[in-house]
Amino acid sequence: GDSVTQMEGPVTLSEEAFLTINCTYTATGYPSLFWYVQYPGEGLQLLLKATKADDKGSNKGFEATYRKETTSFHLEKGSVQVSDSAVYFCALVPRQGGSEKLVFGKGTKLTVNP
Amino acid sequence: DSGVTQTPKHLITATGQRVTLRCSPRSGDLSVYWYQQSLDQGLQFLIQYYNGEERAKGNILERFSAQQFPDLHSELNLSSLELGDSALYFCASSYDRSQETQYFGPGTRLLVL
Repeated sequence: GDSVTQMEGPVTLSEEAFLTINCTYTATGYPSLFWYVQYPGEGLQLLLKATKADDKGSNKGFEATYRKETTSFHLEKGSVQVSDSAVYFCALVPRQGGSEKLVFGKGTKLTVNP
Repeated sequence: DSGVTQTPKHLITATGQRVTLRCSPRSGDLSVYWYQQSLDQGLQFLIQYYNGEERAKGNILERFSAQQFPDLHSELNLSSLELGDSALYFCASSYDRSQETQYFGPGTRLLVL
C-alpha cells in the first residue's frame, strides 16, 4: 500500500543552521506530495506541496523537490529560526484509489535553539 | 486561521460513553475528512465525505460513525469509548475531489478515563 517514511527525530539545531528532513514514499502511480507543520498546541498547516515530478514546492524559506527517480521529497531550509520549532509531517495523496486521503509519515520534531 | 472550526476543543469522558465531535469546513468546501492522531499510530485517516455522501473509509472502527449534513458541517460519533480512543481528532476540508490541498482545523483532544 501507499506509505511515507521520514527520518526519525527529534532533530535539534542551533539558529541559522541548515535543515534537512528526509522523506521517501511508496505509492502506485504519481502521488501529490506535501509537507505539513504542526506548531505546539495547534492543528496542521500546509507548508508546501508538489504535484508532479521535478516540481519544487517552497514557502517561508523551506523547499522540497519531487524526485520520482528516488521517490523522495526532502525538506530543506538554509537558515532555521527558533520560530521554526515544530513537528513536520511528510504526506502524500495517491493518484489512484478513488480517495483524496492524506497518508502521513510519523513526523519529525524539530527544536531550534537560540 | 485555516477557516475550519472544530468543537469542542477538549473533551474528557469515561469508558463506555459516547461523544460527538463537530466540524465546520471552510466556506465553500465540499469535502470533509476526519483524522486521528495518537502517539502510537501517528496520523491516521478515518473517513471522508463529499457533498453529503461518504466517499472513502480508512481505519475507522465500527464503534465510530460520521455524517455530513446539508449545510456541509460534519459530525464524528464515537461510542463505547475505550482508553485507547484517547487521541487528537482532526477535521480537514477541501473544495472538491480534485483539489488536493486539505485545510485542517485545530482539533479536538479527547481523553477517555
